[in-house]
Amino acid sequence: RKEVEQDPGPFNVPEGATVAFNCTYSNSASQSFFWYRQDCRKEPKLLMSVYSSGNEDGRFTAQLNRASQYISLLIRDSKLSDSATYLCAVKKAGGTSYGKLTFGQGTILTVHP
Amino acid sequence: EPEVTQTPSHQVTQMGQEVILRCVPISNHLYFYWYRQILGQKVEFLVSFYNNEISEKSEIFDDQFSVERPDGSNFTLKIRSTKLEDSAMYFCASLASGSYEQYFGPGTRLTVT
Repeated sequence: RKEVEQDPGPFNVPEGATVAFNCTYSNSASQSFFWYRQDCRKEPKLLMSVYSSGNEDGRFTAQLNRASQYISLLIRDSKLSDSATYLCAVKKAGGTSYGKLTFGQGTILTVHP
Repeated sequence: EPEVTQTPSHQVTQMGQEVILRCVPISNHLYFYWYRQILGQKVEFLVSFYNNEISEKSEIFDDQFSVERPDGSNFTLKIRSTKLEDSAMYFCASLASGSYEQYFGPGTRLTVT
């Protein structure tokens, strides 16, 4: 089983739609969870950290389910500018590395007019 | 806003040649990373660096790879004898003490011919 797994999509949605992405992780010792956004041939940029209680930032809501080992990202009222690849990233607890991230393969989102 | 910078943006080299990829992390950050992303694949961790030594490395980071922080600002990745399969985007990232947010540089696209 892959350490971090995402549905690669692509998701094609119209403007204004609500879209949700899921990500599963295999290591129960995982400690911190993130959603990054990556535009074509650009660097990953942190979209939001994911907290146990769930968190919201404008149109974006992230949730964590430790029991089932998955995290989700919900985008409401999609904009054309939301078109990108969304990367799930996980950091394990402990270890010798501070903040090493393990990424999923990304989910491609295309928002069309 | 402070940012991670990387040079060059694109490097073309012949198989067997040595390349050095350069990064300038954000000035007050203490933890440094290299990741790579082969075209169409996920972002993969290579190595992390703290307090002038490697803190963790992946299986990819074999004897052909080395990292260095030659002065107070630069962080370099050297590939001693490049192979075709080293062709990828190489991202540098840095992290401040006490933070979870890794900031990524814009990447260097390495093409080995």
